[in-house]
Amino acid sequence: DQQVKQNSPSLSVQEGRISILNCDYTNSMFDYFLWYKKYPAEGPTFLISISSIKDKNEDGRFTVFLNKSAKHLSLHIVPSQPGDSAVYFCAASATGNQFYFGTGTSLTVIP
Amino acid sequence: DADVTQTPRNRITKTGKRIMLECSQTKGHDRMYWYRQDPGLGLRLIYYSFDVKDINKGEISDGYSVSRQAQAKFSLSLESAIPNQTALYFCATSDRTGGALNEQFFGPGTRLTVL
Repeated sequence: DQQVKQNSPSLSVQEGRISILNCDYTNSMFDYFLWYKKYPAEGPTFLISISSIKDKNEDGRFTVFLNKSAKHLSLHIVPSQPGDSAVYFCAASATGNQFYFGTGTSLTVIP
Repeated sequence: DADVTQTPRNRITKTGKRIMLECSQTKGHDRMYWYRQDPGLGLRLIYYSFDVKDINKGEISDGYSVSRQAQAKFSLSLESAIPNQTALYFCATSDRTGGALNEQFFGPGTRLTVL
C-alpha cells in the first residue's frame, strides 16, 4: 500500500506564477520529508527537506509546508521558471534509514 | 566525472538470465541504496547498505540480491530475471553525518528490460 501519495500526476503553470505540488502520507510515524526533482534520463536530485519539528522551510524560490495533523506537505515554487519543468517526488521517512517515495508530479512551466 | 555511476545504462535480457547491475561512487559516502522506478509507482527501495558489513532489505527485496564489495561499490543482482522486473533502476548514496535529512545522491539510472 502506497504510504506516500502524490495525487496529481501532472501540473501546468504559466511562467512567473506559483506552482504548488502536493503530497499526502498515511504513516503518522514519518518525521522527515524531502523533495526531489528529476529531469528525463537523469537521476533525481535533492531539492529541499523538512523535519516534523517545523511547519515551513524555505530555500530561495522553493518553500515546503508541512501540516502534520492533515498528514500533508506541499512544495511551492515562486516564481516558476521554464527550467523548473521536471518530475517532482516527495519522500518520507520515520527513521531516516528507509525513505518512501511518492509517485511523482510532472510539472510543466509554460513560457 | 559523475559522482555516482551506474553500469550498464541500458540492458535487454531474457527471462531466466542472471543480471548484475553495478554502482560506483566517488563521494566517499558510507550509505548506498538501490531503488527501482515503475510508471505510476514512484521509486521503491530494494536494498540499502550503511557500510560494507551492513546490508538491509528494503520494501521490495524479493528476487534481488546485493553485494557491497567496497565502500565505493554496491551491486544489484537478479538471479533469474522475470518480465515484471523490467524497470528503471537507480543507485543512490548518502552521508551518515547530519542525520535523517541528508540528501541522497542518485546515479543516472539503468533501464532494464526483461523479455
